[in-house]
Amino acid sequence: KAGVTQTPRYLIKTRGQQVTLSCSPISGHRSVSWYQQTPGQGLQFLFEYFSETQRNKGNFPGRFSGRQFSNSRSEMNVSTLELGDSALYLCASSWTGQAEAFFGQGTRLTVV
Amino acid sequence: DQQVKQNSPSLSVQEGRISILNCDYTNSMFDYFLWYKKYPAEGPTFLISISSIKDKNEDGRFTVFLNKSAKHLSLHIVPSQPGDSAVYFCAASMDNYGQNFVFGPGTRLSVLP
Repeated sequence: KAGVTQTPRYLIKTRGQQVTLSCSPISGHRSVSWYQQTPGQGLQFLFEYFSETQRNKGNFPGRFSGRQFSNSRSEMNVSTLELGDSALYLCASSWTGQAEAFFGQGTRLTVV
Repeated sequence: DQQVKQNSPSLSVQEGRISILNCDYTNSMFDYFLWYKKYPAEGPTFLISISSIKDKNEDGRFTVFLNKSAKHLSLHIVPSQPGDSAVYFCAASMDNYGQNFVFGPGTRLSVLP
């Protein structure tokens, strides 16, 4: 059974640009969550999508947005990139939500 | 304001001995807790969970204990193996529904052969 797949694995962007990250959950999983991991702040919850609807949202500015498609694949978008957005972005999928989530390997975003 | 704390950034244990990783939380509304381990260059891997209606959950070498009155949980690994060397994260949620987990900063466990 394929795991959670995140693409791309690495990205370098310039300040002010926007970026879109992609996540394909485990087949059958309907919940997809996104987390940001930085050395200073650890793992922080961005948002969760379930059946194409945003169900939970963390404390991030509106520059961070996401969506989920009917096949449960999800994308995360960050607009007007700042240096502080450099981080590992992790996607996790689960059956229903409050259950163990399976993480992808992450996308390492570097903003220069 | 850290709602989930793991006060030991690192821990070293001899192979075959017990590893005890601790986690404290401040929000009494948290009712579901998980432990993840993370190897370098990989995403976190789920280990074990516990809901607030229990005080212990076991899965093979891994046992999680929850002390609600102290707002404390711990992960016991017995016996520890070199392959257990990783960063361990404690996570908590107050939702009955949904993946809004608050993660601790992690503890790096080194199991020495």
